[in-house]
Amino acid sequence: EAQVTQNPRYLITVTGKKLTVTCSQNMNHEYMSWYRQDPGLGLRQIYYSMNVEVTDKGDVPEGYKVSRKEKRNFPLILESPSPNQTSLYFCASSLYSGGATEQFFGPGTRLTVL
Amino acid sequence: KQEVTQIPAALSVPEGENLVLNCSFTDSAIYNLQWFRQDPGKGLTSLLLIQSSQREQTSGRLNASLDKSSGRSTLYIAASQPGDSATYLCAVPLSGGYQKVTFGIGTKLQVIP
Repeated sequence: EAQVTQNPRYLITVTGKKLTVTCSQNMNHEYMSWYRQDPGLGLRQIYYSMNVEVTDKGDVPEGYKVSRKEKRNFPLILESPSPNQTSLYFCASSLYSGGATEQFFGPGTRLTVL
Repeated sequence: KQEVTQIPAALSVPEGENLVLNCSFTDSAIYNLQWFRQDPGKGLTSLLLIQSSQREQTSGRLNASLDKSSGRSTLYIAASQPGDSATYLCAVPLSGGYQKVTFGIGTKLQVIP
């Protein structure tokens, strides 16, 4: 089944404890992206990747890192999480980066930082 | 900076009614516009993708239109059903592709049986 998977789905952690949220797609998609969703603010783009080894900042990149070493995986790293990073996180992918194809979203990761 | 507005923020309609959801954007230099639905606690499901060169797209009971010059898109849902209850979001990438994607906050739809 074609899909975008994220792990973990739920995570409660403490301030400063490094964590990684994994994202994987099995559709050979070129483009991948991370968003966070907060009440009243909607979805905001954190980082995106146009292809392997090509990543760039979105609107809210502070406090996050990403890497794209292989096409299928795009992990989101929080090196020192803070309570303001408590949010619902989504990974998305699209066949092409140019916008001609639709974005597909993962099921989301609900992160709570205490 | 692109700003995307969805009106109304919430809508409650009786089953069977036809309805229209609106999405407005400030920068008309867009590549496409995509409509999603989001069920509570779930991810986003793609409904329709309209390329900037297109005027409308249809899928079943859904019809989305795009007017780039006026910065507007509408999502028309025919013969609404309780299963249509969800939050509907529009996403707008600027021209050049998915480097910059702006989402609206969404319209929360409730269809009452």
